[in-house]
Amino acid sequence: QKEVEQNSGPLSVPEGAIASLNCTYSDRGSQSFFWYRQYSGKSPELIMFIYSNGDKEDGRFTAQLNKASQYVSLLIRDSQPSDSATYLCAVNRGRDDKIIFGKGTRLHILP
Amino acid sequence: DVKVTQSSRYLVKRTGEKVFLECVQDMDHENMFWYRQDPGLGLRLIYFSYDVKMKEKGDIPEGYSVSREKKERFSLILESASTNQTSMYLCASSAGNTIYFGEGSWLTVV
Repeated sequence: QKEVEQNSGPLSVPEGAIASLNCTYSDRGSQSFFWYRQYSGKSPELIMFIYSNGDKEDGRFTAQLNKASQYVSLLIRDSQPSDSATYLCAVNRGRDDKIIFGKGTRLHILP
Repeated sequence: DVKVTQSSRYLVKRTGEKVFLECVQDMDHENMFWYRQDPGLGLRLIYFSYDVKMKEKGDIPEGYSVSREKKERFSLILESASTNQTSMYLCASSAGNTIYFGEGSWLTVV
């Protein structure tokens, strides 16, 4: 089992709809969870982090964490063409405190 | 804002050359990292450092070394570049768990 798994996509979503990006992780001791956005040819930029079970909202973005299911997701409301990018899930691995990245999901917002 | 600066954005080097990639951060972060990113393989950690003169191997350290003589500067060294080291290299720094990336260095080894 990979430590941090994401569907590679591409995930195509119509403009204005909700985009849902999912991530699972293997280490039950993980405590911190991050979502990065990476445009083509650019470096990843942090868009959200979440530490506690439940939802965390920031503008059009909502991160959801379910530690029992080892699952973290990112919802993007009112999707815009500028949201088209690769989204990387990152998890702080509990046993050694390292940050482990998933391979990313490519999101394409259809105008 | 956190700023992580990679001085070389695009490099072309010959096989066997020694290559230096420099990274500087301006937020007094203790932790610094070097990753490489390749299509289909995602981000892979090469080396990281928790303090000046300290270094730890990441997942793919072979063929690389690092230097951290000052807190703000973390250098990646390719002792003898090979074509399979053609990649995008990302430097990052962190305070606590949150990692901030530089703009990346695109290295082509011919």
